[in-house]
Amino acid sequence: AQRVTQPEKLLSVFKGAPVELKCNYSYSGSPELFWYVQYSRQRLQLLLRHISRESIKGFTADLNKGETSFHLKKPFAQEEDSAMYYCALWGYQKVTFGTGTKLQVIP
Amino acid sequence: DGGITQSPKYLFRKEGQNVTLSCEQNLNHDAMYWYRQDPGQGLRLIYYSQIVNDFQKGDIAEGYSVSREKKESFPLTVTSAQKNPTAFYLCASSTPGQHNEKLFFGSGTQLSVL
Repeated sequence: AQRVTQPEKLLSVFKGAPVELKCNYSYSGSPELFWYVQYSRQRLQLLLRHISRESIKGFTADLNKGETSFHLKKPFAQEEDSAMYYCALWGYQKVTFGTGTKLQVIP
Repeated sequence: DGGITQSPKYLFRKEGQNVTLSCEQNLNHDAMYWYRQDPGQGLRLIYYSQIVNDFQKGDIAEGYSVSREKKESFPLTVTSAQKNPTAFYLCASSTPGQHNEKLFFGSGTQLSVL
């Protein structure tokens, strides 16, 4: 079975403060992990994937196989980062999502 | 704004009624998925299909049915057996190939019970 856990339903930070959205996973194989974002009134869209080791909109995420984690980080939060963030695991033929974390950036 | 289209945007169901949600994609993707989104529960997989004429149950398939007669279409029927159908339903399709996977989502259908 594959599982994704996002322990925080809501994360509030001040503008300019660092952000870390937590994600832990459970999967017996080699995981493909992603972060998806849903801005207000917009479609769910891919933010980044671990295989690309990319930084998108200042966000990065490192896969830690030892801790089975894929936390999303940004050094300085911006107001436009306010959104729902979902961690996702691409296992055998299907994608499993976490319950999501709402990021609220306070001006 | 093409790619994957869901209709209708809003749908109301009466007690004992079956309703069908439409999902169409013109991305030539083989795989398609249905998710249910509830506040505080994230996205839960209902059904998925890797190829035409084949589909598998996801984590919460009870009370739902699907068909995949055409590559571009993956309709979801919410049957009267689904006792708590009020939710936001998302359809997605995915790019093929290992390490190139990416889900494309529709804009969703909000289903409510009258």
